Amino acid sequence: KNEVEQSPQNLTAQEGEFITINCSYSVGISALHWLQQHPGGGIVSLFMLSSGKKKHGRLIATINIQEKHSSLHITASHPRDSAVYICAVLGGSQGNLIFGKGTKLSVKP
Amino acid sequence: EAGVTQFPSHSVIEKGQTVTLRCDPISGHDNLYWYRRVMGKEIKFLLHFVKESKQDESGMPNNRFLAERTGGTYSTLKVQPAELEDSGVYFCASSAGTDYGYTFGSGTRLTVV
Repeated sequence: KNEVEQSPQNLTAQEGEFITINCSYSVGISALHWLQQHPGGGIVSLFMLSSGKKKHGRLIATINIQEKHSSLHITASHPRDSAVYICAVLGGSQGNLIFGKGTKLSVKP
Repeated sequence: EAGVTQFPSHSVIEKGQTVTLRCDPISGHDNLYWYRRVMGKEIKFLLHFVKESKQDESGMPNNRFLAERTGGTYSTLKVQPAELEDSGVYFCASSAGTDYGYTFGSGTRLTVV
């Protein structure tokens, strides 16, 4: 079992839908990252959070440290949001990230 | 500000050959990380430099992999000799510290045939 589990693995949505991607982890962490990778593209950091909630545009990330769970929400989804969304936690003492397998999101027009 | 630059973006080599990947981090970022994603699996940590020192190389798969960061600037990751299972996407990331975010490069897609 991976130390970082994401769900769902694949997600197809219609444009305009509200989307939620979940991340659960089993290790103690100091921070959690949400990353985005477009097809054939590099990895972009969306959020780094250690408590509460952060918002950037249509993206919202929340974390519950006690429950070891984080969610990434996308409001009013758009086809350009289609990408793989990756949850990664900063758990090691050396600052190494532990990654989930990613959630592949496809938003249809 | 220039981002993290990796090259080549793609490399196709034959089994047994040598390949060197390069990563140029954001200027001033002491922390440099190498990660790898093999087909169908999650991204895995390879190693971590702080300036020119290897802070943690526990993720390096075997002694066919050699990473260097001379002068604490750019880093190279050499695979010699390459094996089929080394195929994947190699990502580099840099950071000013664990309290700060990470900036990733676009990755190098390595295919060993």
